[in-house]
Amino acid sequence: DGGITQSPKYLFRKEGQNVTLSCEQNLNHDAMYWYRQDPGQGLRLIYYSQIVNDFQKGDIAEGYSVSREKKESFPLTVTSAQKNPTAFYLCASSPQRTTTDTQYFGPGTRLTVL
Amino acid sequence: DAKTTQPPSMDCAEGRAANLPCNHSTISGNEYVYWYRQIHSQGPQYIIHGLKNNETNEMASLIITEDRKSSTLILPHATLRDTAVYYCIVRALSQNFVFGPGTRLSVLP
Repeated sequence: DGGITQSPKYLFRKEGQNVTLSCEQNLNHDAMYWYRQDPGQGLRLIYYSQIVNDFQKGDIAEGYSVSREKKESFPLTVTSAQKNPTAFYLCASSPQRTTTDTQYFGPGTRLTVL
Repeated sequence: DAKTTQPPSMDCAEGRAANLPCNHSTISGNEYVYWYRQIHSQGPQYIIHGLKNNETNEMASLIITEDRKSSTLILPHATLRDTAVYYCIVRALSQNFVFGPGTRLSVLP
């Protein structure tokens, strides 16, 4: 089946530890995105990538890092510098960024920092 | 400032049409109107989008006013599985998607 996978679904970490969230797509999409969602809120863009080996900061990039070494993979690292990392993290992809193409979302990873 | 304004919540009876409004009074000529929905604890799902004309697909209809300052998403026969948060997004092709708080639609039996 084609789609976007995120793992794990639930993740627990101790304060001060870095943690990496996985996002993989087999849709052959060029563009990939990471969003953060807090309870009762909309989604906020963390980082996006329009092509392999290229990525740009979104609205709330501080405390996060990404890489895009392969077209199908866009992992997000939540560093210890992120002051309030507990949230629901969503990965998305689209064929390209600057078209009417819609974004397809993964199931999300719920991160809890204890 | 937010580009769209949606009511925070709405109820709809099962089997009836759900009409979800969205105001976007400052929309530019090159900006599209998109609708997504998010069922609890899942990723958002694309529903429909349009520029000027009304659009219909297997999920919903999108009605855009002639002046493009507002739109309505219509779910013709709402079911319990349509209970979700619905996001109205205005976006030009060079811009990222911005998901506001949306409208929480509750379909009641």
